[in-house]
Amino acid sequence: AQSVAQPEDQVNVAEGNPLTVKCTYSVSGNPYLFWYVQYPNRGLQFLLKYITGDNLVKGSYGFEAEFNKSQTSFHLKKPSALVSDSALYFCAVRFPNDYKLSFGAGTTVTVRA
Amino acid sequence: EAQVTQNPRYLITVTGKKLTVTCSQNMNHEYMSWYRQDPGLGLRQIYYSMNVEVTDKGDVPEGYKVSRKEKRNFPLILESPSPNQTSLYFCASGRRDSLHYGYTFGSGTRLTVV
Repeated sequence: AQSVAQPEDQVNVAEGNPLTVKCTYSVSGNPYLFWYVQYPNRGLQFLLKYITGDNLVKGSYGFEAEFNKSQTSFHLKKPSALVSDSALYFCAVRFPNDYKLSFGAGTTVTVRA
Repeated sequence: EAQVTQNPRYLITVTGKKLTVTCSQNMNHEYMSWYRQDPGLGLRQIYYSMNVEVTDKGDVPEGYKVSRKEKRNFPLILESPSPNQTSLYFCASGRRDSLHYGYTFGSGTRLTVV
């Protein structure tokens, strides 16, 4: 069974500092990995994905994520956080032969001015 | 504009009173799915559909029904809602041959069952 873990319920950073949101997964094979963001009272918005190839993927709003197969991790990063990055972030995983997207529990990011 | 539209956005109902949450997409996507979001649990899949008249259970299907009579619509039906179905619900859709690009999500329906 595939599962996704986001070990931190909350991440607090100061504006301008680097932001990291952690994600690990426990699946076999070669999964597809995703990050979504949810702003208050909004639906989920796609940020970025890893399918294959370069382990460092770049996405929307200056975010990037690094796929590490040996550590089964897919951490989301942003070099300089903005107050407007405050939101709920979800990591998700699926297999190529399975259509279900499995989500982590989510991490609330608060960026203080 | 390509989108997934859910209605209503907010709903308060009483235990046992049947309700339907509608979901419609205008992207000609084959795949549609319903999720519920609960604090600390993330999003859990309720039901999904690979195409018209093809539906299957997700991880938490108990107490829910769905139908897929048309490609664009995928309503979620609660025949006899209970308070434990109070949650935030999301509909999602995607192209079956390109699901690695992720899904498009609706804006959500916040349901309260009293």
